[in-house]
Amino acid sequence: SQQGEEDPQALSIQEGENATMNCSYKTSINNLQWYRQNSGRGLVHLILIRSNEREKHSGRLRVTLDTSKKSSSLLITASWAADTASYFCATVGDYKLSFGAGTTVTVRA
Amino acid sequence: DVKVTQSSRYLVKRTGEKVFLECVQDMDHENMFWYRQDPGLGLRLIYFSYDVKMKEKGDIPEGYSVSREKKERFSLILESASTNQTSMYLCASGTGSVRTEAFFGQGTRLTVV
Repeated sequence: SQQGEEDPQALSIQEGENATMNCSYKTSINNLQWYRQNSGRGLVHLILIRSNEREKHSGRLRVTLDTSKKSSSLLITASWAADTASYFCATVGDYKLSFGAGTTVTVRA
Repeated sequence: DVKVTQSSRYLVKRTGEKVFLECVQDMDHENMFWYRQDPGLGLRLIYFSYDVKMKEKGDIPEGYSVSREKKERFSLILESASTNQTSMYLCASGTGSVRTEAFFGQGTRLTVV
């Protein structure tokens, strides 16, 4: 079974708005990563947060991690049309990298 | 530029054929992974390898096998292709224990007819 589950499954926002998506997971982790996938392509790494970190920023991205609730959130601020993509959280435990089903984000111009 | 290269972008095979999907990375990574991606199901882990000649089953290994004879190459084998194996296959590589980002290939869209 998959480790992570993203919520919502799909999100539609206007350019300039913020997009927030959540990820819940089941077992203990070493770190949690977020990836983006543009239609029909491979995944691109966005940001990694370690299990002993609570928040991390990278440009317009903000990630939080709550290990007590086994959950993480990804915030994209001031979204552009180019942010239209699917976003996946991935958990790392031992050697295994496990993904959720993803959140599809559509940014309307 | 770091690279994970999958041998084919698109592949069409017949039911019952033995199919080889090849993945090569040039980053000297210990870990390599094979996933399949289907609409609404996200990425599901088929097999992974944390060292040469080592392999571990993922969540959906049935109908697949893998080979890792060299550190840079990780092959996925469909012993007898079936139509329910029609999917997008993604290969990835990462450092030991995946303590940093993983890198993905461009994907192979396999159709079994």
